[in-house]
Amino acid sequence: GDSVTQMEGPVTLSEEAFLTINCTYTATGYPSLFWYVQYPGEGLQLLLKATKADDKGSNKGFEATYRKETTSFHLEKGSVQVSDSAVYFCALRVYNFNKFYFGSGTKLNVKP
Amino acid sequence: SQTIHQWPATLVQPVGSPLSLECTVEGTSNPNLYWYRQAAGRGLQLLFYSVGIGQISSEVPQNLSASRPQDRQFILSSKKLLLSDSGFYLCAWTVDRDQPQHFGDGTRLSIL
Repeated sequence: GDSVTQMEGPVTLSEEAFLTINCTYTATGYPSLFWYVQYPGEGLQLLLKATKADDKGSNKGFEATYRKETTSFHLEKGSVQVSDSAVYFCALRVYNFNKFYFGSGTKLNVKP
Repeated sequence: SQTIHQWPATLVQPVGSPLSLECTVEGTSNPNLYWYRQAAGRGLQLLFYSVGIGQISSEVPQNLSASRPQDRQFILSSKKLLLSDSGFYLCAWTVDRDQPQHFGDGTRLSIL
C-alpha cells in the first residue's frame, strides 16, 4: 500500500547549519509529494510541493526534489535559523485519490 | 482566497460528556474535508473524510462520528467522551487531482 517514511527525530542543529530531513515513499500510482511544517500549538502549513518526477519544490529557503528512481523527497535547507524550529511532515497523495499519507513527523530544534 | 475555520481553539470536557467540533471552509466549493487527530508528540491519525454532503468515510472505529450537513461544513461529534479522546484535532480541505491539503488551526481537547 501507499506509505511515507521519514527520519526519526529530534534533529538538533546549530544556527546556520545545513539541514537534511529524509523522506522516502511507496505509492501504487503517480503521487504528488508535499512537505508541511507545524509550529507548536498550530495546524500544519504547506511548506512546498512537487507533482511529478524531477520537480523541485522550494519555499523560504527550503528545497526538495522529487526523485522517482529512489522514491525520495528529502527536505534541505542550506542555513537554518532558530525560527525554523518546528515539526516537519512529509506527505503524499496519489493523483485524484482522496486520502493523504503522512510520515510520522521530524522535530527540528535549532540552537543559537 | 480560501480559508478554513475551526472552533473552538481549546476545549476542556469531563469524561462522558458530549462533543461537537465544527469546521467551515470559505472560498471554494465541493471540497474534500478531513478530520485528523494528533496525540501529543505524535503523527496524524485520519479519523474521517468526506467527498460531498452526507458522504462520510470512517477510518478508525471509535466513539466519534462526523457529519457534513452543508457543502463547506464538517462536524466532529461524540455522545460520550473517553479519556483517550484527548488530543489535538485538525480539520483539512482539498480539491481534486494533485492539490495539497490545507489545515485549520486545530482544537486542543482535554478530557478530565
